[in-house]
Amino acid sequence: NAGVTQTPKFQVLKTGQSMTLQCAQDMNHEYMSWYRQDPGMGLRLIHYSVGAGITDQGEVPNGYNVSRSTTEDFPLRLLSAAPSQTSVYFCASSSPNMNTEAFFGQGTRLTVV
Amino acid sequence: ILNVEQSPQSLHVQEGDSTNFTCSFPSSNFYALHWYRWETAKSPEALFVMTLNGDEKKKGRISATLNTKEGYSYLYIKGSQPEDSATYLCAPPEDYGQNFVFGPGTRLSVLP
Repeated sequence: NAGVTQTPKFQVLKTGQSMTLQCAQDMNHEYMSWYRQDPGMGLRLIHYSVGAGITDQGEVPNGYNVSRSTTEDFPLRLLSAAPSQTSVYFCASSSPNMNTEAFFGQGTRLTVV
Repeated sequence: ILNVEQSPQSLHVQEGDSTNFTCSFPSSNFYALHWYRWETAKSPEALFVMTLNGDEKKKGRISATLNTKEGYSYLYIKGSQPEDSATYLCAPPEDYGQNFVFGPGTRLSVLP
């Protein structure tokens, strides 16, 4: 019963490096999203997708790219890492309706030095 | 972007105490309100999805109420246990979908 799987759990990057955070879900959910969590702040939406081939920006999209080629996978790409992107990243999936709960991955703690 | 506030920011209680905390959100254009429980080093897990004014949800010792007219929700924990220690997040969606605006959370520590 995997649910939402995120990899890696921890990552240290140097400024300017690029990387991809992986997210996969096995619940056939149409909706997937990426959030970042910073101290003293709530989870903030980076990008989201309402289905394969469809993505859109959230509140804090700058510096990140996403794609959704399959229902199961929703990777998040950091194009050129900056110290301001040091954060904990969560992937979530759900049915698209507002009345259904979201399921979260276990998070990726990213440090950019 | 919706303004979502939670209070208090953190809370320390003794085992057996009952406690409550607040989520405040814009009362206009209300769609729903989600409560999530987030333990350290784990993923946030859904507690309640609340949709109607006057709605009250209960799960074991945890319950929540909703007032959409004045824009707040209360989360109550009766007889707190150490395993209740977590950060409690509230999140109204921006629209009819799943784009949430999360509050900053209330961090609860229950001391044995």
